Amino acid sequence: SAVISQKPSRDICQRGTSLTIQCQVDSQVTMMFWYRQQPGQSLTLIATANQGSEATYESGFVIDKFPISRPNLTFSTLTVSNMSPEDSSIYLCSVEDQEGAGGNTIYFGEGSWLTVV
Amino acid sequence: SQELEQSPQSLIVQEGKNLTINCTSSKTLYGLYWYKQKYGEGLIFLMMLQKGGEEKSHEKITAKLDEKKQQSSLHITASQPSHAGIYLCGADDYSGAGSYQLTFGKGTKLSVIP
Repeated sequence: SAVISQKPSRDICQRGTSLTIQCQVDSQVTMMFWYRQQPGQSLTLIATANQGSEATYESGFVIDKFPISRPNLTFSTLTVSNMSPEDSSIYLCSVEDQEGAGGNTIYFGEGSWLTVV
Repeated sequence: SQELEQSPQSLIVQEGKNLTINCTSSKTLYGLYWYKQKYGEGLIFLMMLQKGGEEKSHEKITAKLDEKKQQSSLHITASQPSHAGIYLCGADDYSGAGSYQLTFGKGTKLSVIP
């Protein structure tokens, strides 16, 4: 199993600033994902954080706006750059852990609820 | 806080068989989401349900939300190997300025045997 610590849990940010969200896992995991969800909408995958290489971004998300670091197999950060009110959302990190014959299990951080004013 | 109980934890079915996955909430749901994940690919959004009694279908997958908005089921008809993966229910609890929380079930691992 994997336990994820995500922070900050909540922040109110000024327009134009940047904020970095951290995701720490208590075990080494290969796959780490960053999502966001706005009220009334589904989770949207921002990118897959790859250890030792650049993140893989989904359509509509770019590295300049959402730079991601993955320095090792237990840690990743997502930065939301030059924030606007449209970036107000919950940002969520998730890992997929291979658990042998039992298959894979998905784990989530507790989310970071950002409000941009 | 809201909790989502998802069952079964895992499921192995023969190709062509129907199956159902359930998701039960401890509180009335504001929005219920169904997702699917294949290894290494991230979650794929399947359907969202908000109204009591609501039912939505996409290809061979149907999702329902009960009238009390505390239980949802995902039904796959005539399963295929492409349906294999982890199915996850999620809910959001948004009370305006007060709080916004996301909750997820533990997932159901589906294997489809040809």
